[in-house]
Amino acid sequence: DQQVKQNSPSLSVQEGRISILNCDYTNSMFDYFLWYKKYPAEGPTFLISISSIKDKNEDGRFTVFLNKSAKHLSLHIVPSQPGDSAVYFCAAKVQGGSEKLVFGKGTKLTVNP
Amino acid sequence: NAGVTQTPKFQVLKTGQSMTLQCAQDMNHEYMSWYRQDPGMGLRLIHYSVGAGITDQGEVPNGYNVSRSTTEDFPLRLLSAAPSQTSVYFCASSPRGVHEQFFGPGTRLTVL
Repeated sequence: DQQVKQNSPSLSVQEGRISILNCDYTNSMFDYFLWYKKYPAEGPTFLISISSIKDKNEDGRFTVFLNKSAKHLSLHIVPSQPGDSAVYFCAAKVQGGSEKLVFGKGTKLTVNP
Repeated sequence: NAGVTQTPKFQVLKTGQSMTLQCAQDMNHEYMSWYRQDPGMGLRLIHYSVGAGITDQGEVPNGYNVSRSTTEDFPLRLLSAAPSQTSVYFCASSPRGVHEQFFGPGTRLTVL
């Protein structure tokens, strides 16, 4: 049973435009959500996160939106740059307990010059 | 700081062989974990540790053993490698109470 779902395996956008990556989850006990970025042959790197008590978090060109009622979050990248081309993973943490993260399958973003 | 380091970067094994994937961090992080990444499967948690001497199973623990004798090191052991364990393995760590995990560069393992 997949608790964190990224239904779009790939996304292609033009440089300068907005990239929107989506993530859905099923576990109501998730209280913290993270986005990781991964380049080929490298480990994932943390990008941005959001607590379940917020609905928006912004860091430069990156904004994450959380809709708890819909169990949906999205990552907006504005403006998109060719260097943003990577695989983006959505991850979630269960309230309390350990720091275990549950990851989605990832979305490959390609930003075309 | 070197961050999270993993050795080796690449490894080829024959079915039935054993080996240990090494993971070390120099940030004094309490939490450490091992993930495997397979095509179309995302990152799946194998084992994790909340501190020295404490380990627990993740989502896909079968065929793997771990131990945590020091804060710095968290080795992953394959006792009898199988082709199904062909994957890219990532180690990660984080300080207590911090949800963002720092990942190592990965080990690409092929089991023939």
